[in-house]
Amino acid sequence: DAGITQSPRHKVTETGTPVTLRCHQTENHRYMYWYRQDPGHGLRLIHYSYGVKDTDKGEVSDGYSVSRSKTEDFLLTLESATSSQTSVYFCAISEEPVLTDTQYFGPGTRLTVL
Amino acid sequence: AQTVTQSQPEMSVQEAETVTLSCTYDTSESDYYLFWYKQPPSRQMILVIRQEAYKQQNATENRFSVNFQKAAKSFSLKISDSQLGDAAMYFCAYRSLQGAQKLVFGQGTRLTINP
Repeated sequence: DAGITQSPRHKVTETGTPVTLRCHQTENHRYMYWYRQDPGHGLRLIHYSYGVKDTDKGEVSDGYSVSRSKTEDFLLTLESATSSQTSVYFCAISEEPVLTDTQYFGPGTRLTVL
Repeated sequence: AQTVTQSQPEMSVQEAETVTLSCTYDTSESDYYLFWYKQPPSRQMILVIRQEAYKQQNATENRFSVNFQKAAKSFSLKISDSQLGDAAMYFCAYRSLQGAQKLVFGQGTRLTINP
């Protein structure tokens, strides 16, 4: 299994509070991704990173920001959480896409915004 | 933009029987990858099988095989000799060879195995 951890694994928070989710990898992969999973939608890409300090938006990026100051860590921040951001969040990693076709997923973080 | 559609929200099969999960996709690209991921109750996303679009031969991994019809943009998953451990959500996913090559997922199919 790829060395990917996510923290916290579960979190309950109040509307309007900031929340940061962490993805940590031990594989030294260049690409990292944040997805959210909601019923009826599968997984949708929020943001991704293609290197330290290099990030870009996915299809559902509104209300989220990311940072990557080290190869191994990719942080997802909800500046002011809303109930619509209640979801399961997955981190994924990949080597250079030209070298591999596979993304490996972390265990997920269940976030509930009350 | 690419889209992936799984038209079967739920499927069930008797243990030891064969089941086929459907997936269609829309793209204007000629080269890409397609995947099936399994998500058991543990929520872990597990890669089941992959298919390169430039390969005509259908991919096979033990009891799992695909029927890839490029012209029809169809990518179905066949599970033979179904086992109780196959019960899970199954997601079809598309990956472009362009840009960051992110995954685009279908909505998922929940597979139940009846003993």
